[in-house]
Amino acid sequence: AQKVTQAQTEISVVEKEDVTLDCVYETRDTTYYLFWYKQPPSGELVFLIRRNSFDEQNEISGRYSWNFQKSTSSFNFTITASQVVDSAVYFCALSAYSGAGSYQLTFGKGTKLSVIP
Amino acid sequence: DAGVTQSPTHLIKTRGQQVTLRCSPISGHKSVSWYQQVLGQGPQFIFQYYEKEERGRGNFPDRFSARQFPNYSSELNVNALLLGDSALYLCASSLAGQGNQPQHFGDGTRLSIL
Repeated sequence: AQKVTQAQTEISVVEKEDVTLDCVYETRDTTYYLFWYKQPPSGELVFLIRRNSFDEQNEISGRYSWNFQKSTSSFNFTITASQVVDSAVYFCALSAYSGAGSYQLTFGKGTKLSVIP
Repeated sequence: DAGVTQSPTHLIKTRGQQVTLRCSPISGHKSVSWYQQVLGQGPQFIFQYYEKEERGRGNFPDRFSARQFPNYSSELNVNALLLGDSALYLCASSLAGQGNQPQHFGDGTRLSIL
């Protein structure tokens, strides 16, 4: 069974501070995929990034960066110079094969980020 | 291009009633998945459909059922509604339902059971 843990329930930062959101996952599969989604107050889940289990290169996209460490089963997300528009709930998710051609997406409980102006 | 569209946006039902939620995927996407998101929690997987066939089912009772139509749109049905079914129901589509393909979500249907 797959499991995703986001230990931080809520985080508050002042605008322009850097913030890191933690994600730890569990799976027995050797091939799996990790995702981060953003859910603003409007409710729609917005896809941010995907990472394959066999690709441990870190990635930077503008103010966003992701650190994938297979040895510690972690896939952390850092926002540099946070802005008020970054305020949302962020979900880490794991996709692994669950049989009969199905890939089930397992989400963590989310981290609510509040950026204070 | 239009994203994933869901209807209705909000719905209020009473215990014991039945409800049907609808989803239209992104054009070209052949896989649709349904999720239940209870307040304060992450989405929970309910069903995945690909080419009109059920590919996966989460840990939900038989009161939950779904289907996918030839145009790849989908419906989620919930019978004998319980108070605990109150949640945001999210539909997501992807090209072919493969694990490496991002799922793109709609705005959801907020279901309230009185």
